[in-house]
Amino acid sequence: GAVVSQHPSRVICKSGTSVKIECRSLDFQATTMFWYRQFPKQSLMLMATSNEGSKATYEQGVEKDKFLINHASLTLSTLTVTSAHPEDSSFYICSARTQGASNEQFFGPGTRLTVL
Amino acid sequence: GENVEQHPSTLSVQEGDSAVIKCTYSDSASNYFPWYKQELGKGPQLIIDIRSNVGEKKDQRIAVTLNKTAKHFSLHITETQPEDSAVYFCAASSGGGTSYGKLTFGQGTILTVHP
Repeated sequence: GAVVSQHPSRVICKSGTSVKIECRSLDFQATTMFWYRQFPKQSLMLMATSNEGSKATYEQGVEKDKFLINHASLTLSTLTVTSAHPEDSSFYICSARTQGASNEQFFGPGTRLTVL
Repeated sequence: GENVEQHPSTLSVQEGDSAVIKCTYSDSASNYFPWYKQELGKGPQLIIDIRSNVGEKKDQRIAVTLNKTAKHFSLHITETQPEDSAVYFCAASSGGGTSYGKLTFGQGTILTVHP
């Protein structure tokens, strides 16, 4: 149980285009989803916290107008990288947290974004 | 906010040896400490976690210890195997409320187990 999927797994796009990444909790309801970015050989950096039905909370330094997050249902959150540039190339990972007091997060397999 | 320091950054052991990775955290309100294994090109996989009301937890070859007073926790892997080779991350979380249980990660440890 507790499976999180991401789609697509890999995307290559031209500079200036927008890219949408989906994160789904397959067998549980996720009241909270988190979006991370990971550069090569570095740790995971939290970008934003997404709660179902409300606006996402962004970490300091993350542009909310560039990284649009939508958490429209208890099983789906989307991250849209708008007007992508080569410096946005990274590994994007989502995680989902179940309802209740547990802090446990379940991570998706990640999406490799390459902006040419 | 929370700050998590992880050491060492790289660890090389022979198959069958033990491996120990250590982390320290700064926020005394943190109460959940998971460890993740990440293989190349994949998302992190939870391997073991511990909560602040417990000092030690073991799952087969993997164990975690927590010292709340000193604010540090450690991952112990015994009888290492080549398939244990990966990047390991520690993390800390201070629970719900306005943080919604967000995790702060350590810098990661590249573990290499030589056959």
